[in-house]
Amino acid sequence: GESVGLHLPTLSVQEGDNSIINCAYSNSASDYFIWYKQESGKGPQFIIDIRSNMDKRQGQRVTVLLNKTVKHLSLQIAATQPGDSAVYFCAENGADSSYKLIFGSGTRLLVRP
Amino acid sequence: DTAVSQTPKYLVTQMGNDKSIKCEQNLGHDTMYWYKQDSKKFLKIMFSYNNKELIINETVPNRFSPKSPDKAHLNLHINSLELGDSAVYFCASSLQNEQFFGPGTRLTVL
Repeated sequence: GESVGLHLPTLSVQEGDNSIINCAYSNSASDYFIWYKQESGKGPQFIIDIRSNMDKRQGQRVTVLLNKTVKHLSLQIAATQPGDSAVYFCAENGADSSYKLIFGSGTRLLVRP
Repeated sequence: DTAVSQTPKYLVTQMGNDKSIKCEQNLGHDTMYWYKQDSKKFLKIMFSYNNKELIINETVPNRFSPKSPDKAHLNLHINSLELGDSAVYFCASSLQNEQFFGPGTRLTVL
């Protein structure tokens, strides 16, 4: 059931604070990265993506940062809201197929009211 | 108006049975996928079809057989179900890199 999700790394933040979720990716040849949000009982939902020729991209309340030197990706959520509570996944496209996404292990974000 | 839909949402069955999960997308995408999400939330690709042709086949037991009757449908048939097949199975589709996911099918093998 859902309780096994507690094995996920968990980030707990106060409502209104900013959240930063980190991800280390595996393949230095990956040229496309994407963040997904998965709410309980639902499928992953696109948040934001970035290509390897950029190091920062902003959306509405979200920013993705890419550091290719250390193969690190982060997702920043401004003014975190209770509706942001979910599991967040980063994914990379790998080098052998532009169709394939390789997902990270996920981080659970809990927003305290 | 659901973009990617899957049926059934829940599937409970006995070991050894054969079952199918259906997926449809109305986004006009060329590529469709099946993913398996285990109890630790790890999401792993199983198969991908592009214009009805298999393009990705990860190391999946041959008890799992995807079938794409047309571009908008990708079904997953599983033979001789085992306890370890219990998971949530997600269908997805894409035009380019961004993949759109269905709501998932929770399969429980008893």
